[in-house]
Amino acid sequence: KAGVTQTPRYLIKTRGQQVTLSCSPISGHRSVSWYQQTPGQGLQFLFEYFSETQRNKGNFPGRFSGRQFSNSRSEMNVSTLELGDSALYLCASSFGTANTEAFFGQGTRLTVV
Amino acid sequence: AQSVSQHNHHVILSEAASLELGCNYSYGGTVNLFWYVQYPGQHLQLLLKYFSGDPLVKGIKGFEAEFIKSKFSFNLRKPSVQWSDTAEYFCAVSITSGTYKYIFGTGTRLKVLA
Repeated sequence: KAGVTQTPRYLIKTRGQQVTLSCSPISGHRSVSWYQQTPGQGLQFLFEYFSETQRNKGNFPGRFSGRQFSNSRSEMNVSTLELGDSALYLCASSFGTANTEAFFGQGTRLTVV
Repeated sequence: AQSVSQHNHHVILSEAASLELGCNYSYGGTVNLFWYVQYPGQHLQLLLKYFSGDPLVKGIKGFEAEFIKSKFSFNLRKPSVQWSDTAEYFCAVSITSGTYKYIFGTGTRLKVLA
């Protein structure tokens, strides 16, 4: 079966701009989580959506937002980009219960200049 | 707040050496435990998981982990590492305490010298 697809794979943006990242989960998965990965910080949890509702949220500023559509696809938006937002953004999909594993996409590498 | 700690941030081993990566979590209720691996240039993938039953679980590529409930630990082990094990390893915990949560540790970068 098809895996988790994230688009685009690479992005270069300027400070102050906004960006939208997309994630298509595995068919049948209703949970989509977003993570920010940076060297030294590991995987920082951004938020999780389940059946179009944000179920969990990490400790990121309001500039980071997301949404999930009825087909479980999810988008993440970052407004007013800062240099420190440069990172690999990972999306993970799962059935959304505690005893299931998460499947990760390849990530979107965002560079803010 | 619930958290996952991985004590070793960087580990360097020679081939054939034994590996043990520590993982501790802070949560008093029922947990499900995972180890994920990220090889250079690749996406995160599941190495092994524990839901219930035998606390010693075996995963892919000769890895195993032991759940010790009294120590809130889920350490990853491999008797003899190979150069191809060079990767970043993440411990994760999932809980359902009112709301579903999936928490990752900060990761351990393993470098195996040929």
